[in-house]
Amino acid sequence: EVQLVESGGGLVQPGGSLRLSCAASGFTFSNYFMTWVRQAPGKGLEWVAHINQVGSKSYYVDSVKGRFTFSRDNAKNSLYLQMNSLRAEDTAIYYCARENWYLDYWGQGTLVTVSS
Amino acid sequence: EIVLTQSPGTLSLSPGERVTLSCRASQSVSSNYLAWYQQKPGQAPRLLIYGASSRATGIPDRFSGSGSGTDFTLTITRLEPEDFAVYFCHHYGSSPPHTFGGGTKVEIK
Repeated sequence: EVQLVESGGGLVQPGGSLRLSCAASGFTFSNYFMTWVRQAPGKGLEWVAHINQVGSKSYYVDSVKGRFTFSRDNAKNSLYLQMNSLRAEDTAIYYCARENWYLDYWGQGTLVTVSS
Repeated sequence: EIVLTQSPGTLSLSPGERVTLSCRASQSVSSNYLAWYQQKPGQAPRLLIYGASSRATGIPDRFSGSGSGTDFTLTITRLEPEDFAVYFCHHYGSSPPHTFGGGTKVEIK
């Protein structure tokens, strides 16, 4: 059974940093691109970033470029999203998802709140 | 960047009714790389349709997708109580970012 479990969310002050993790199981992790999607409270879905199978290439939405870094450790079947210079508008539930071209499996998400 | 516009924003319907949701892209979606997701309150999105018209594993056949180019449709032939939710379209495959539509909420009338 494919499982994706996010962790690392919490309350952080504007300008602060946070590192999200996503633990994957139930599939050959190193075969897939992986994606982060976020959802602000009461809003729609926003594609944030994705990373290739070996972690050598990643792409980010403009609003997080230069602030967020997406990485992966295939030996640990894990993803990481390092978020720096956080802003109030980054407040959202962050989901990791398996990218099989489309997003076929999603985690339950972890909530990030940026507030003073 | 492809902008996806979903309409209407909200639909108020009764169980048993047929529903058609629209997703329009600002430019042609290559190879019909268009997916639909369902999201219920407090839950992660669930994949319903990929490739514009292929149902994901375990999705009932009352859900169907159609369209090509810039105009896509999700149809639910007979609404079941568990179908009241928010539906999002999403393009993938071509150059990122792989944007989502703003969503259509299907609520009980």
